[in-house]
Amino acid sequence: AIQMTQSPSSLSASVGDRVTITCRASQDVRSDFGWYQQKPGKAPKLLIYGPSTLQSGVPSRFSGSGSGTDFTLTISSLQPEDFAIYYCLQDYTYPLTFGGGTKVEIK
Amino acid sequence: QVQLQESGPGLVRPSQTLSLTCTVSGGSINSGRFYWSWLRQPAGKGLEWIGRVFSDGSTVYSPTLKSRVTISVGSSQNQFSLKLTSVTAADTAVYYCARGWGDGSVSSGSAPLYWGQGTLVTVSS
Repeated sequence: AIQMTQSPSSLSASVGDRVTITCRASQDVRSDFGWYQQKPGKAPKLLIYGPSTLQSGVPSRFSGSGSGTDFTLTISSLQPEDFAIYYCLQDYTYPLTFGGGTKVEIK
Repeated sequence: QVQLQESGPGLVRPSQTLSLTCTVSGGSINSGRFYWSWLRQPAGKGLEWIGRVFSDGSTVYSPTLKSRVTISVGSSQNQFSLKLTSVTAADTAVYYCARGWGDGSVSSGSAPLYWGQGTLVTVSS
């Protein structure tokens, strides 16, 4: 199975900060990749797929980049509602695999 | 708007079979080319993909669970189910059903776009 390694596993940031999360795949996943946001007690929400296409309704402060094995999620100006856990996912090949998650906490 | 809802027992005894159903509203499973998945998340841990059924009924399972998992489409065409046999405490988790992204014709993929709210299944005697 393809391993997805996220970093950092957690970070503390303030409202207004620029935040960057990275995800590395153990092998090429082309552009079959997405970023999810999960808040406590809720199902994950797909933010970005492809890996830079923003899903409908997702604020433009979120952006994604990368292809192949290295991907980045950027939040340009962190808002209070963005404190959550973020996961990357590859669906290039089965089994689908997620990164371990990045918890974004309030500084 | 597609909506999904998981249902099934919240408590399963060790060595028994976990059975969950996902009811889909706003569309039927065999209309369009979509991937329908089951995933799970133990408390405080990350997400694990269990397997999927495609709109044509074909299935793919995670290798780590393959020997114990069956995913199938129900007779009503707006339900699909998960069966996990010989459960242990390690199978305790919130279980989600989900539908993949896409327009259902030209392009679609397995990455979940629409999710159910999740249902907690505890394995305990």
